[in-house]
Amino acid sequence: EPEVTQTPSHQVTQMGQEVILRCVPISNHLYFYWYRQILGQKVEFLVSFYNNEISEKSEIFDDQFSVERPDGSNFTLKIRSTKLEDSAMYFCASSLDSSSGNTIYFGEGSWLTVV
Amino acid sequence: GQNIDQPTEMTATEGAIVQINCTYQTSGFNGLFWYQQHAGEAPTFLSYNVLDGLEEKGRFSSFLSRSKGYSYLLLKELQMKDSASYLCAGYILTGGGNKLTFGTGTQLKVEL
Repeated sequence: EPEVTQTPSHQVTQMGQEVILRCVPISNHLYFYWYRQILGQKVEFLVSFYNNEISEKSEIFDDQFSVERPDGSNFTLKIRSTKLEDSAMYFCASSLDSSSGNTIYFGEGSWLTVV
Repeated sequence: GQNIDQPTEMTATEGAIVQINCTYQTSGFNGLFWYQQHAGEAPTFLSYNVLDGLEEKGRFSSFLSRSKGYSYLLLKELQMKDSASYLCAGYILTGGGNKLTFGTGTQLKVEL
């Protein structure tokens, strides 16, 4: 079964450093998403991406965050200057399109720890 | 605003049936997803309802009433491996498409 893959699975970084989290969405999917989950809290929407541009972003997704689709397969989340509160599990997700009934599939997640 | 409410935790016995309820108050509601999440892992898709009624998929069923802002996930013949967090998520229409708004999850513990 096709799946969303993410790298790295774990990353520890120092506060203030830049981090890039990588994702390979399911190959025929057109909509891509990043969600995050702080330990013990709910899964939160960060951003959705379609046709090489951001289609929606949450209040969490401020200027320190950016997304990119550098080639035909990868979808990245960059955090420019990490803060302690950015420590979370970051999930990439994809869907075929955005209409009702299209399942959003999640990757295994990237654990980010900012120290 | 968006509000998705579900119980924090539930306990049930192996072999039994358990119903996990979810109520929502959201604008732009476009359907409801249920996901299963084991600790430290990704949410795994279980079911999706967009119309009122019951959707059955093996041991799992999900029900939606749009007029009442209510859904439930029914798990039958519980197994120990069903111990996990069950996430209710509203599929919300936005200006740019759709996004999932999650509840806090219901931690289900299955006991012998």
